[in-house]
Parts: sequence; C-alpha cells; structure tokens
Amino acid sequence: DAGITQSPRHKVTETGTPVTLRCHQTENHRYMYWYRQDPGHGLRLIHYSYGVKDTDKGEVSDGYSVSRSKTEDFLLTLESATSSQTSVYFCATYRDRGLLEQYFGPGTRLTVT
Amino acid sequence: AQRVTQPEKLLSVFKGAPVELKCNYSYSGSPELFWYVQYSRQRLQLLLRHISRESIKGFTADLNKGETSFHLKKPFAQEEDSAMYYCALSGHSGNTPLVFGKGTRLSVIA
Repeated sequence: DAGITQSPRHKVTETGTPVTLRCHQTENHRYMYWYRQDPGHGLRLIHYSYGVKDTDKGEVSDGYSVSRSKTEDFLLTLESATSSQTSVYFCATYRDRGLLEQYFGPGTRLTVT
Repeated sequence: AQRVTQPEKLLSVFKGAPVELKCNYSYSGSPELFWYVQYSRQRLQLLLRHISRESIKGFTADLNKGETSFHLKKPFAQEEDSAMYYCALSGHSGNTPLVFGKGTRLSVIA
C-alpha cells in the first residue's frame, strides 16, 4: 500500500461547511493525486501535485482546493461543501523509481447533508 | 483527448466460465494501459499493466493498438474474482495522472 493513509475515513458534514481531507504517505513519493469515485463515473481526477507547493487542476477541480507544504502530506479542501460532493475520495501516489505504478489510499467516504 | 471506455457496467458469469472485460481507449500517442481491481470497500490495487505482459491471478490483457483495446481475460472465473474492475490509461510519461474508465462490476455466480 506504499504507506498511504487517509483521514478521516468517514465524515458527515452539512452543506456550506468547509471540509479538509488529509492524505499522508511515508515513501517520499514526489507525485500525489486526489480522485473522487462515484457510481457511473468511475474515478475522476480532482487535483494533483508534482512536488512541494506544485499543484495542478484535474478534470473536476471546481469547488476544491489543495495544498502540499510537505512531501508527505497532500490536503484536499472543500471550501463550502455541497451535496454533489458526496463521494468517496481516494488519494494516490506514484512510485517514480523501481516498479512504476500508482498506489491508492484506503479512501474517505464523505457525506454532505 | 484521452478517453477510456468500458462498455459494460455489470458482467455476470458462472464460476468456471471464461471472462472478458472490455476496454477501449482513445489517445494520440503511445499510452500505458492498466487494469485496477477494487474488492468490496477496499482500495484500488493494480492488477495488470500492459508493458509487463504478465498474468496475475489468472488474468491477462493484451494491448491491441489497431483496435485501441486492452481487454481483460480469464479462462475460468472464480467467486473471489467478484469485484469492480477499472481500465486506466496514462500518457507516455508514467507519472501523468491516470484516466479511468467508468468501471465494470464483475459478479461470479456459484
């Protein structure tokens, strides 16, 4: 699992509140990604990072922001949560040496009421 | 534009029957193709990548550039194969974000 953890694992929040999800990795991987998983849509990229303080938008970035102040942590913030952001959020890292592949975290199930 | 198409949302097969999960892609260059598997409420795991040309858990996948396909196959399905399967594509530089298909749920019936 490349030492990837996500917190919280489950969260219920109300519409309009800010929410921050955390992804933590222990392998010193340079690249990190946030995806959301929804039935009928598969996984869609929200934001990604290619280094500390280097981030870029993905396919569904509206309503989300990210920050990466340390290699090991990649934070995803929903600035004002909406019901359409109810989803399962997965963080992933890319091992850019040795066996090249993306590793996924366990996911965070977010419900916005 | 990069696109991955998995035409079947759900595929049900009997135990011991052959399985083929379809994946077609659209990409202008030379893509890297992957199959990921997600067992119930677990994280995604890499199952196969085309450049490895290996067989994992009895599954194989061949990249057909002429048909732009990367179908996943297994000759004899097992109950433990029941899961969600995602086909994914990456640009030539493997660290580019993956583009996923919408997934196919495989249900193996005893």
